[in-house]
Amino acid sequence: GAGVSQSPSNKVTEKGKDVELRCDPISGHTALYWYRQSLGQGLEFLIYFQGNSAPDKSGLPSDRFSAERTGGSVSTLTIQRTQQEDSAVYLCASSSGLSDTQYFGPGTRLTVL
Amino acid sequence: DQQVKQNSPSLSVQEGRISILNCDYTNSMFDYFLWYKKYPAEGPTFLISISSIKDKNEDGRFTVFLNKSAKHLSLHIVPSQPGDSAVYFCAASDVQGAQKLVFGQGTRLTINP
Repeated sequence: GAGVSQSPSNKVTEKGKDVELRCDPISGHTALYWYRQSLGQGLEFLIYFQGNSAPDKSGLPSDRFSAERTGGSVSTLTIQRTQQEDSAVYLCASSSGLSDTQYFGPGTRLTVL
Repeated sequence: DQQVKQNSPSLSVQEGRISILNCDYTNSMFDYFLWYKKYPAEGPTFLISISSIKDKNEDGRFTVFLNKSAKHLSLHIVPSQPGDSAVYFCAASDVQGAQKLVFGQGTRLTINP
């Protein structure tokens, strides 16, 4: 079956521009997570959504970052006024519930010039 | 503050031998630990997990050992195969299988034929 998909696979943008990253979770998965991996670092938790509950945004590094999940399926991570330190691979994961294994997408590599 | 640490950025092992990847953590509230494997340009894939109530979990060629008193876990792969060459991440959480996985920096394993 289809796994988690993310688009675009690569994004190059200029400092100060806004970007949107998209995640399509596995069908039927109620939990969706965003992580980022900066160069040489492990994955850093950003935000997660579970069903209709309010998302846990505790990992978002600044108010330039926001995410939404429409209809309990597709999610969009938005970074406003991008900075060079935002350059990283942004990974999305989904699971069938909070107590289940997280399945990751291939990521979006963001480069801010 | 790195709560999960993988102190070896790389490891090289002969095919057929045992690979041992190590991970240390500092947060005593962590009670669930996972290993993920990542190939280039792909998202991490779940490999094996262990709950803090156990000290060993085995799945085929993969065994994870947990030493709670030392706050240390390890992943053993035996026998190692060329397809095992990848980056391995350990991760931890304080609610079983739930949100906010905290990842180590990863260890790049190379299996030499």
